[in-house]
Amino acid sequence: AQTVTQSQPEMSVQEAETVTLSCTYDTSESDYYLFWYKQPPSRQMILVIRQEAYKQQNATENRFSVNFQKAAKSFSLKISDSQLGDAAMYFCAYRRPYNQGGKLIFGQGTELSVKP
Amino acid sequence: KAGVTQTPRYLIKTRGQQVTLSCSPISGHRSVSWYQQTPGQGLQFLFEYFSETQRNKGNFPGRFSGRQFSNSRSEMNVSTLELGDSALYLCASSLVSQGIGFFGPGTRLTVL
Repeated sequence: AQTVTQSQPEMSVQEAETVTLSCTYDTSESDYYLFWYKQPPSRQMILVIRQEAYKQQNATENRFSVNFQKAAKSFSLKISDSQLGDAAMYFCAYRRPYNQGGKLIFGQGTELSVKP
Repeated sequence: KAGVTQTPRYLIKTRGQQVTLSCSPISGHRSVSWYQQTPGQGLQFLFEYFSETQRNKGNFPGRFSGRQFSNSRSEMNVSTLELGDSALYLCASSLVSQGIGFFGPGTRLTVL
């Protein structure tokens, strides 16, 4: 069975600084997808970024980028130029290829606080 | 396009009652998944529906059930409510080709 682990329950960053959130996963499959979701106090889950395992290039979305290390089964999220609105719970998630079902397996989450 | 909608947003029930939650996916999305979020267990997968068929089911007791209608709207039902069923229930819809889950705002269920 696949598992996702986020070892940092809480992280803190100064506004305008850079922070990296860690995520490791365990799978025996070679084809899969990885996601980072953000959940602010409103509880609305928002997709931040996604990575297809077959792509070697790391995904980027504006100030958000990932460091995907397939062999090490590591998928960290880097937030550059942190803003107050980035404060939220961040979840790392794993998904098998869609023809095998769209179930997301989530990590425990990392609560990010941003200091002005 | 309108996002995923969930109704009701808040519910208070007592033990032993049953509850039905509704999820309307983004227009054109035929896949709907349900998740339970609690402080202790985190986010856990309940079930996934595609074209009115259940494709996957999580490790939850039979008291938890769901269905999907021809317009892709989905409902989940919890019978004989227990205190431990208090949680935020999240629904996600996706296009089969993309597989990206877009989440609704959730239904907060409190069981007294």
